[in-house]
Amino acid sequence: GIQVEQSPPDLILQEGANSTLRCNFSDSVNNLQWFHQNPWGQLINLFYIPSGTKQNGRLSATTVATERYSLLYISSSQTTDSGVYFCAVEADSSYKLIFGSGTRLLVRP
Amino acid sequence: KAGVTQTPRYLIKTRGQQVTLSCSPISGHRSVSWYQQTPGQGLQFLFEYFSETQRNKGNFPGRFSGRQFSNSRSEMNVSTLELGDSALYLCASSPGVIAGNTIYFGEGSWLTVV
Repeated sequence: GIQVEQSPPDLILQEGANSTLRCNFSDSVNNLQWFHQNPWGQLINLFYIPSGTKQNGRLSATTVATERYSLLYISSSQTTDSGVYFCAVEADSSYKLIFGSGTRLLVRP
Repeated sequence: KAGVTQTPRYLIKTRGQQVTLSCSPISGHRSVSWYQQTPGQGLQFLFEYFSETQRNKGNFPGRFSGRQFSNSRSEMNVSTLELGDSALYLCASSPGVIAGNTIYFGEGSWLTVV
């Protein structure tokens, strides 16, 4: 089945710094989403981005489907950005998401 | 518009018991899927339902089952609970008519098996 790899596994930043999170996937996909998991466990949708580039405030994402990777950019990080970021893909119109293992981000004040 | 609602949020069960978790999707969404999150295995797909039909199922034992009702609400059941079933169970919904839609998650149900 399709494999999803995220890097780095852990990231520590000072408030105000920028960061790039990467997601590699092993096959073509018809859905790719980025999520932020809050301390209470809920997965918050950040982007639906099977291809192309999107921006939402300080966050932006780019997916290059032909090269099978996606990037999540966080600019001017804030302590509230801390948490785990997941990339998840759907392949073969399977109606199921395959998740990467996540990037744990800690933003220090 | 209300999000995906899961109940109960927290529960503690004893080994051998069974548990039923409930999920109400976003209004108008007809696809409901379930995921299990554990520290060791990460986030894993359990099953997905659309219009009361299971369209896909993950690699879990038969103790894990689910169903969807005509109003799109869904329940999942775990019988003969084991310690390893302790996890966060997440429900998600999407419009679901075709694959590749944005999927939205609820707050989850934290299950502890003692």
